[in-house]
Amino acid sequence: DVKVTQSSRYLVKRTGEKVFLECVQDMDHENMFWYRQDPGLGLRLIYFSYDVKMKEKGDIPEGYSVSREKKERFSLILESASTNQTSMYLCASSLIGLRFYFGAGTRLSVL
Amino acid sequence: QQQVKQSPQSLIVQKGGISIINCAYENTAFDYFPWYQQFPGKGPALLIAIRPDVSEKKEGRFTISFNKSAKQFSLHIMDSQPGDSATYFCAASKGAQKLVFGQGTRLTINP
Repeated sequence: DVKVTQSSRYLVKRTGEKVFLECVQDMDHENMFWYRQDPGLGLRLIYFSYDVKMKEKGDIPEGYSVSREKKERFSLILESASTNQTSMYLCASSLIGLRFYFGAGTRLSVL
Repeated sequence: QQQVKQSPQSLIVQKGGISIINCAYENTAFDYFPWYQQFPGKGPALLIAIRPDVSEKKEGRFTISFNKSAKQFSLHIMDSQPGDSATYFCAASKGAQKLVFGQGTRLTINP
């Protein structure tokens, strides 16, 4: 069965901390994505990657960076967490032209 | 700017009724229009998708209607059941790569 695993379901961090959100997929998919989900705003694309070592900015990349050292792992990094980054973060993977598979999400609270 | 606009934000339907969620898009280059279903505590999962060369696609009780000239598409859920209670997202993409999502609709089916 297809699986996208996000390392944490809930995280609580303090303002200014560096935060790492990890995502692993077991489907050998080339494409991986990080979205942020907020009520009334839907899912907004932060960063995506079509290949190892490759990354592209999405619609809301400010305050975030990513790392993809291996095909199966895509990490989202909050360089200096701020309260406006409190949100649900969703990782997804896909083959080109096919369905997206999402992880269960990480609910991040920045205090 | 919101490239895909979804309405309503929330919807309450009686069991057995028809649930209708609407989306409008701006970018005429979009060529793939999926709907995702999300249950609490889970990531979104693909429900049904359509390409603009057809005006309707049906899978069981779920139907997508697509109006290319109006740049609109909608999800119809026939004979709605309490188990259909979830958040629904429409989305669009160009070249079936990164997805742009609507704001989401929280659907509640009353027994």
